[in-house]
Amino acid sequence: DSGVTQTPKHLITATGQRVTLRCSPRSGDLSVYWYQQSLDQGLQFLIQYYNGEERAKGNILERFSAQQFPDLHSELNLSSLELGDSALYFCASSEGQGDQPQHFGDGTRLSIL
Amino acid sequence: AQTVTQSQPEMSVQEAETVTLSCTYDTSESDYYLFWYKQPPSRQMILVIRQEAYKQQNATENRFSVNFQKAAKSFSLKISDSQLGDAAMYFCAYTSLYGGSQGNLIFGKGTKLSVKP
Repeated sequence: DSGVTQTPKHLITATGQRVTLRCSPRSGDLSVYWYQQSLDQGLQFLIQYYNGEERAKGNILERFSAQQFPDLHSELNLSSLELGDSALYFCASSEGQGDQPQHFGDGTRLSIL
Repeated sequence: AQTVTQSQPEMSVQEAETVTLSCTYDTSESDYYLFWYKQPPSRQMILVIRQEAYKQQNATENRFSVNFQKAAKSFSLKISDSQLGDAAMYFCAYTSLYGGSQGNLIFGKGTKLSVKP
């Protein structure tokens, strides 16, 4: 058990819809990272938050946004969903802002119909 | 831009034998980290081993070791005494020590490892 909790585990929705993925980092970790794993693009870094502040941005689409709340949990919001957004979305956490992700959650499988 | 290449989409090894997974990368930077992650069918990403580029000594973690060749930009993973539980996708990853975030991991496409009993 990594200590990183992601909900929901599976999500099925339709094109054009909006969804929110939730992540609770491992206890004591201040950084949260989001990654997308798709068949086409492989594993891609989306965004990192550290203690509530955006720390770094990767290949995150404008339709996607994220935030980290005072209790350190994070949410990834995906809007105007397209078929190509179907993927496994991972959250990871680490203690510091200059770290690499140490602990990964089990991911949220998003299927767009 | 940095890239990571895993040229072996699939590999197979007999239980108790040794297998080596290949990874090459391209970067103009001198300081960086390299990683191997394991993703079993349960799909969780598990950090197997990490190598700092400034360290000449190859990292080892129990049955897992790497062969880091900085000049050749090669970073292979050796699994000794393979076990059935080693069956998984293995991803090689790179991150720079410069710029925004060391969380910006660049992953290879992965190698699917099968272990035969």
